[in-house]
Amino acid sequence: GAGVSQSPSNKVTEKGKDVELRCDPISGHTALYWYRQSLGQGLEFLIYFQGNSAPDKSGLPSDRFSAERTGGSVSTLTIQRTQQEDSAVYLCASSIGQGAGGYTFGSGTRLTVV
Amino acid sequence: QQQVKQSPQSLIVQKGGISIINCAYENTAFDYFPWYQQFPGKGPALLIAIRPDVSEKKEGRFTISFNKSAKQFSLHIMDSQPGDSATYFCAAINQGGKLIFGQGTELSVKP
Repeated sequence: GAGVSQSPSNKVTEKGKDVELRCDPISGHTALYWYRQSLGQGLEFLIYFQGNSAPDKSGLPSDRFSAERTGGSVSTLTIQRTQQEDSAVYLCASSIGQGAGGYTFGSGTRLTVV
Repeated sequence: QQQVKQSPQSLIVQKGGISIINCAYENTAFDYFPWYQQFPGKGPALLIAIRPDVSEKKEGRFTISFNKSAKQFSLHIMDSQPGDSATYFCAAINQGGKLIFGQGTELSVKP
């Protein structure tokens, strides 16, 4: 597609349930990021995939969070046993290569845990 | 560990005025400094970017000034317009490609 696509755009889930958030990056982009943005807050780095290298998971807040990237393209962020503090907008971005700048963001998934 | 510090947190400017947002970084391994603009309900969008071997870059009403020795860079928006009202993030990318953001500045341009 022309841009980074994220789905769903909105997700309401009950506390304790698992959720999966999907990111379709721009075709050919080798770098992919996940960020979390809480209401009125900045962008919290979660995880970074670059080509076939081991992902940088240093931003994942707890072991309830995990992410994978299949075939170097689509990525899924999974949050297990969701908590109310997980409520936020989860943003995905992709870039054509390492250090190339110009990361393109999707519109995000707004997750609400009730 | 916050490696990019941004100020002010919020800014109100009159239409036609100059908006100035400042950032400072700590890691000298950064080699690319983009600015992003974010409107409510949207993801951040790349606005303008600079490499550390350049002291200034201008694109239309937007200018980045870069001071490598002070490890500081700033965004100037000339002739600010109400349509510029948004949240602005400075960022830095290290040689490994990791993108690190400042805390963001909420800009409001009053008509």
